Amino acid sequence: DGGITQSPKYLFRKEGQNVTLSCEQNLNHDAMYWYRQDPGQGLRLIYYSQIVNDFQKGDIAEGYSVSREKKESFPLTVTSAQKNPTAFYLCASRPGRTNEKLFFGSGTQLSVL
Amino acid sequence: SQELEQSPQSLIVQEGKNLTINCTSSKTLYGLYWYKQKYGEGLIFLMMLQKGGEEKSHEKITAKLDEKKQQSSLHITASQPSHAGIYLCGADNDMRFGAGTRLTVKP
Repeated sequence: DGGITQSPKYLFRKEGQNVTLSCEQNLNHDAMYWYRQDPGQGLRLIYYSQIVNDFQKGDIAEGYSVSREKKESFPLTVTSAQKNPTAFYLCASRPGRTNEKLFFGSGTQLSVL
Repeated sequence: SQELEQSPQSLIVQEGKNLTINCTSSKTLYGLYWYKQKYGEGLIFLMMLQKGGEEKSHEKITAKLDEKKQQSSLHITASQPSHAGIYLCGADNDMRFGAGTRLTVKP
């Protein structure tokens, strides 16, 4: 089945540690997105990529980094510079730039130990 | 970027009642999405609106985009507990989302 897979479902981070959240899609989509969701709030855009080897900052990119070396993969690293990383992280993809709906993964809950 | 305001922030209704959720944009919408989310899960696509005055329905959910393309409403008829969740609107041109409306349906 085609879809978008996020792993792990739950992740714990120690102080000063970098952690990487995985996002893989087999839908042959060009565009991929990372969002952060805090309890009771909507989605905030962290980073997005319209094409392989290219990505842009969203509204809250500080403390995060991404790479897009392969079309199907868009991992997100939460660095130690992100002082409040506890949140629900959602990855999404869509075929092109506009007029196409986003397909979402099931999310990763990141917590700080 | 486009700012989307949703209202109300939360809504509690009795099963069987109708309800409306609104999404207002600071700029012209060239495409608007409605998604539903169960807490702690991914988003489920409901519908997309692109043209001024457009209206779409899926089962008991109807969404409209106004003629000026700056406001959308989502209407649920005869609500059921299965409608409970968070409803989010998103703008197509920059993929920003509103803060969401949390819907509770009491049996």
